[in-house]
Formats: sequence, structure tokens, C-alpha cells
Amino acid sequence: QVQLLESGPGLVRPSETLSLTCSVSGASISAYFWSWVRQPAGKGPEWIGRVYSSGSGSYNPSLWSRVTASLDTSNNQISLKLSSVTAADTAVYYCARGPMVGTSNYNYFYMDVWGKGTTVTVSS
Amino acid sequence: DIQMTQSPSSLSASVGDRVTITCRASQYISNYLNWYQQKPGKGPTLLIYAASILQSGVPSRFTGSGSQTDFTLTISSLQAEDFATYYCQQTYTSPQTFGPGTTVDIK
Repeated sequence: QVQLLESGPGLVRPSETLSLTCSVSGASISAYFWSWVRQPAGKGPEWIGRVYSSGSGSYNPSLWSRVTASLDTSNNQISLKLSSVTAADTAVYYCARGPMVGTSNYNYFYMDVWGKGTTVTVSS
Repeated sequence: DIQMTQSPSSLSASVGDRVTITCRASQYISNYLNWYQQKPGKGPTLLIYAASILQSGVPSRFTGSGSQTDFTLTISSLQAEDFATYYCQQTYTSPQTFGPGTTVDIK
């Protein structure tokens, strides 16, 4: 059974860089697309970006200048870095598995397995 | 960005009821529409992708339909475990965007 576990600091100071890690068990991260999604309290999800084994990423234009996602295949982990954070970045952050690379429906970019999420608060 | 709207924003229903949730895109998205269910304190779970393809393991009482800009999620006979918030998501263009959600609660 595939499991995703997000981890990172619960509290980040304004203007600092948020760093999160998603540890994956039960699947090789090399075979799939991986996304980060965040959800402010009481609101709908917001897609942050997506990466896969080639190293290339696709990011939400509203965040692209501040965000980087990457794969660590040796540790089967996905990471997210978001710089210059403000209170508007306060949210629950999820990692999610996308379609398997190369499958016929991969371009629908659905997310079929999600982590439990980690709460990030930006405050001084 | 493509804006997604959902109606209703919330509804009250009883076990056994047929429930329909509507999702509308601000522009053409073909069938690049996914549906998720989210329960309090948990991450979303995928129900349907490509507008009408049922994700493996999801009960057949969930069906999706629609294309272009208008889509529906139907629960044929609501079960106790279906009380949750439902989100649609378009993946036709970047950035992917989600609807604001429809909360289904117990009447």
C-alpha cells in the first residue's frame, strides 16, 4: 500500500524559506508524477506544482518565482521549497501522487494518493 | 486562470438519497475534470478522473458526466460514509484549479 508522509517545521517566520519533505513508501517515486497542493483553513485546495523523474517541474504561475520542487530518488522523497513566505502561505500542505509516467491517461494529471498533510503557519 | 464554480455550496441529504453536484468551468476544458472527496482533517481522495472514469476501488454509486464546461457528480444512493466535501479540479491548462467545494451533510 502506497503511503505518503509530509514533514517540516510547523512554524516559519515571515520572509524565510519553507522546506517540506514528503516520504514515500510502497512505490518508486521515479515512476510517477508528484504534486504539492496546499489548502488554507476553510478554503479549497490550491495546486502548487508538479515534478517527475526527468527533473522538470511545472508550477503555479502565482508561485513560480518562489517555489522549487525536486525528487530525491535515493531516499524516495519529494521536497518543496517556498521562499519569502508571508502569512498568506499559511495552510495545510499536501503531497500527492500523480499518474504513472507514460500511461495512456497520464495527461489528466489526477492525484490518486495523498498524504495526511502538514500544517504550516507563517508568523513572527 | 480557469475559474471553477460548484453548486450548491452545501446540501443536506439523507442516507439513500440521490445527490447531484454541479461543476462549471469558466472556459472550455474538454473532459479534463477530476472529482475528489475530502473528510475533515484528511487529505482528498480521488473519485473520478477524465470526467467519467471511476477510480479503482471507488464504489459504483459515484458517477461523473459532462464535457466542455459543465460537469456533474452524482451519488446514486447516499451512504453514511459519503458525508464529506467534494471538489472538482480542472487539469486542461496550467495552473490546475479546484472548485470551492460542495459540503454534503446529514439532514
